Amino acid sequence: DGGITQSPKYLFRKEGQNVTLSCEQNLNHDAMYWYRQDPGQGLRLIYYSQIVNDFQKGDIAEGYSVSREKKESFPLTVTSAQKNPTAFYLCASSPGWGTEAFFGQGTRLTVV
Amino acid sequence: QQQVKQSPQSLIVQKGGISIINCAYENTAFDYFPWYQQFPGKGPALLIAIRPDVSEKKEGRFTISFNKSAKQFSLHIMDSQPGDSATYFCAAGDSGNTGKLIFGQGTTLQVKP
Repeated sequence: DGGITQSPKYLFRKEGQNVTLSCEQNLNHDAMYWYRQDPGQGLRLIYYSQIVNDFQKGDIAEGYSVSREKKESFPLTVTSAQKNPTAFYLCASSPGWGTEAFFGQGTRLTVV
Repeated sequence: QQQVKQSPQSLIVQKGGISIINCAYENTAFDYFPWYQQFPGKGPALLIAIRPDVSEKKEGRFTISFNKSAKQFSLHIMDSQPGDSATYFCAAGDSGNTGKLIFGQGTTLQVKP
């Protein structure tokens, strides 16, 4: 099956801890994205990557970090510097610039 | 200038009716306008998309209308069904720059039986 796999589906974090959210795609897409979704709000872009070993900050990158060592993988680390990390995190990929983006099923992160 | 404004925030429609969701943008560099459908606890799924060289695109019961001069586009759901109840997001992208999508705030649609 081709698609985007996010794991875990649910994640609980204690305050002060870093956590890493996984995103893997087997669609052979060049571009990958991380979005954050809060209740009643749209999707806000955290980071995006157009090619391997290159990524750019989105609109709300503070407190987050990413890597793109492989084409199929784009993990997101939520650091302790992120003041309000509880949210639904969505990973997406697209074949190229300005084309349709396909989303994973999301990871719901809760700080306890 | 990067914002995409979506309205209404919520919408209730009777089964068989027409659901209409509107979006407006400012950045004239945007050249790709998709609509996504999201069910609770799931990731958004691409529904239909349009580029500014056409004014309308139809796929089944879903139609996008695009007005380039007004910088507005809308989604029409004909013969709305209870199974269409979901959150709908419009988005805009710039293929000549980063290709990233800017999303509207979302519209929660409820179709009553």
